[in-house]
Amino acid sequence: DIQMTQSPSSLSASVGDRVTITCRASHSITIYLNWYQQKPGKAPQLLIYATSSLQTGVPSRFSGSGSGTDFTLTISDLQPEDFATYYCQQTYSMFRTFGQGTKLEIK
Amino acid sequence: QVQLQESGPGLVKPSQTLSLTCTVSGGSISSGDYYWSWIRQSPGKGLEWIGYIYFTGSTYYNASLKSRLTISLDTSKNQFSLKLSSVTAADAAVYYCAREATTGFLRFDPWGQGTLVAVSS
Repeated sequence: DIQMTQSPSSLSASVGDRVTITCRASHSITIYLNWYQQKPGKAPQLLIYATSSLQTGVPSRFSGSGSGTDFTLTISDLQPEDFATYYCQQTYSMFRTFGQGTKLEIK
Repeated sequence: QVQLQESGPGLVKPSQTLSLTCTVSGGSISSGDYYWSWIRQSPGKGLEWIGYIYFTGSTYYNASLKSRLTISLDTSKNQFSLKLSSVTAADAAVYYCAREATTGFLRFDPWGQGTLVAVSS
C-alpha cells in the first residue's frame, strides 16, 4: 500500500492568511494526487485533482503543486468557509489511500 | 447533476452482515466512464477506500476487506450495493458511496451524504 502522510495534523490561521498543507507519499505517485475538503457532518468534496487541476466551481485561491512524493495544497486569502478538514488521496495505485487529514481552524 | 444517496440499517449486530445501498440519480450507473465506489470513515482509521464496481459488474476490493465484502450492481434500479459480513466494532463508521471518474484522472466526485453504521448487540 502507498501510505499518505499529511502535515500538520492541525493548523490555526486567520481570515486573509495564506496557508500550506503538505502531503507526502511513501512511494512516487507522479501527479496522481487529489485533495478533498470536508466540513463537519458533511461528505468530503473534491477540490483539486491530478495535483493541480481545480475542480469546477472551486475558487482560485486554492492551488496545488508537487510531483513524485511531495505535494502541497495552498489556500491564499483564507475565507471563513475554508475552515474545514483537508485530505489528500493518491490514485497512482489501484488501492486508493488517503492522508489522515489536516484540520484548519480559526485562530 | 448526479446525486448519490446511501440507505440501510444504522445498527448491525456483531457477526452479522452489513448491507447498504447507494441510489444514483441524475445519471446512469451503466456509464462506462465511472467506477461506483464505497468509502468509509471512522475516527480510528480516517478515510478508508472499500472497493468499487464497474458497469460490467467487475469489482476491485480493498484487500483487507476482500474476504468479507461483496459489491453488486442493479442497473434496473440505478443502484449499487455493499455487503460486509461478520462485522465487528471495527466496522462501525460513516459509509459513503461515491462516483469515481475512469477517464482522465481518477477522482471521487460526487459523494453521497454518508450513512452512520454502528455495530452493537
